[in-house]
Amino acid sequence: GESVGLHLPTLSVQEGDNSIINCAYSNSASDYFIWYKQESGKGPQFIIDIRSNMDKRQGQRVTVLLNKTVKHLSLQIAATQPGDSAVYFCAENIRGSQGNLIFGKGTKLSVKP
Amino acid sequence: DTAVSQTPKYLVTQMGNDKSIKCEQNLGHDTMYWYKQDSKKFLKIMFSYNNKELIINETVPNRFSPKSPDKAHLNLHINSLELGDSAVYFCASSLTRRHFDIQYFGAGTRLSVL
Repeated sequence: GESVGLHLPTLSVQEGDNSIINCAYSNSASDYFIWYKQESGKGPQFIIDIRSNMDKRQGQRVTVLLNKTVKHLSLQIAATQPGDSAVYFCAENIRGSQGNLIFGKGTKLSVKP
Repeated sequence: DTAVSQTPKYLVTQMGNDKSIKCEQNLGHDTMYWYKQDSKKFLKIMFSYNNKELIINETVPNRFSPKSPDKAHLNLHINSLELGDSAVYFCASSLTRRHFDIQYFGAGTRLSVL
């Protein structure tokens, strides 16, 4: 999710398709990564997390992939539904820090019925 | 029951005023946070308290002063409000200050400084 000008990057998908949201992180000392979902007018909601000793973790309809070599994180949502429409943030936590989450810029997911 | 609740949800005020935002969590968590989200949706941590003790204080103007009367509450007081303070402020909490503890967020307070 790189920022483009003043606008959030947007991913538009058809209902029922799979979605892939990408995130690049910069700090090689980060060892914990989290994806949050933020619906309009609400606070960020935890989706799934992954530690740096793993490269894949699955939840219900979601999968997070971590590639430490290129410092890349992705969130895959299977069978995307209209209720998945939101802004998605990746966040990283640097080894030795105490809950100091560093958030990425966010990607807006729009699901077309 | 709302786990992390903030009041007010909306706050509109004039430049130069002093205002407070309250946050309460009923999760029994030890650690609480304040984040600021700007107009571009960028979220950045401001403060963190663990059991009433300040543990994270990012580069935030002195006009912002957090206060934690007990571990279930973390309020944010802002003096001499400026236009640039307009943003959405989120409170969050986690079980402990431990690195891997999930942070749970409130619904946010939208502050508009005129």
